[in-house]
Amino acid sequence: DQQVKQNSPSLSVQEGRISILNCDYTNSMFDYFLWYKKYPAEGPTFLISISSIKDKNEDGRFTVFLNKSAKHLSLHIVPSQPGDSAVYFCAARFSGNTGKLIFGQGTTLQVKP
Amino acid sequence: GAVVSQHPSRVICKSGTSVKIECRSLDFQATTMFWYRQFPKQSLMLMATSNEGSKATYEQGVEKDKFLINHASLTLSTLTVTSAHPEDSSFYICSASGPGKKLFFGSGTQLSVL
Repeated sequence: DQQVKQNSPSLSVQEGRISILNCDYTNSMFDYFLWYKKYPAEGPTFLISISSIKDKNEDGRFTVFLNKSAKHLSLHIVPSQPGDSAVYFCAARFSGNTGKLIFGQGTTLQVKP
Repeated sequence: GAVVSQHPSRVICKSGTSVKIECRSLDFQATTMFWYRQFPKQSLMLMATSNEGSKATYEQGVEKDKFLINHASLTLSTLTVTSAHPEDSSFYICSASGPGKKLFFGSGTQLSVL
């Protein structure tokens, strides 16, 4: 049972435009959500996170939105840059557990110059 | 920032042999480390939680006798894939809970079993 889903395996956007990556989850016990960026044969790099008590968190070009009623979160990157091209993973954490993350399948973002 | 070092980055071995992967937290102590596995174009799946000084906690479906985890110090956890077979070929990643309760990931180990 996939508790965290990223239904779009890939996304292509033009440089300077907005990239929107989506993530859905099923378990109401998740209290924290994270986005990671990953290159092939490397470990994930933390990007941004959001607590379940918030609906928005912004850090520079990255903004994460959380819609608890819809069990949906999204990562917005604006403006997108070619260096943003990578695989993006959404992850969710269970309440009270700092380390056990449930990852989505990932979305490959390609930003074209 | 906090650094997690994972070694080796790549290993090729013959079927039936054992392979040890090390995960070190370089500038912080980690009482808990986590081991993940990623098959090509799939999600990262948690295999086990490594606890310093005690037995690891394995996720459902992960064979504890095949994937031996040792967390003998606050900065080192090891994963040993015993009697490796081609189906064990995967990308293994460790992570450690560090400053600010953030998770820091190692760079991963690509295991190829021939």
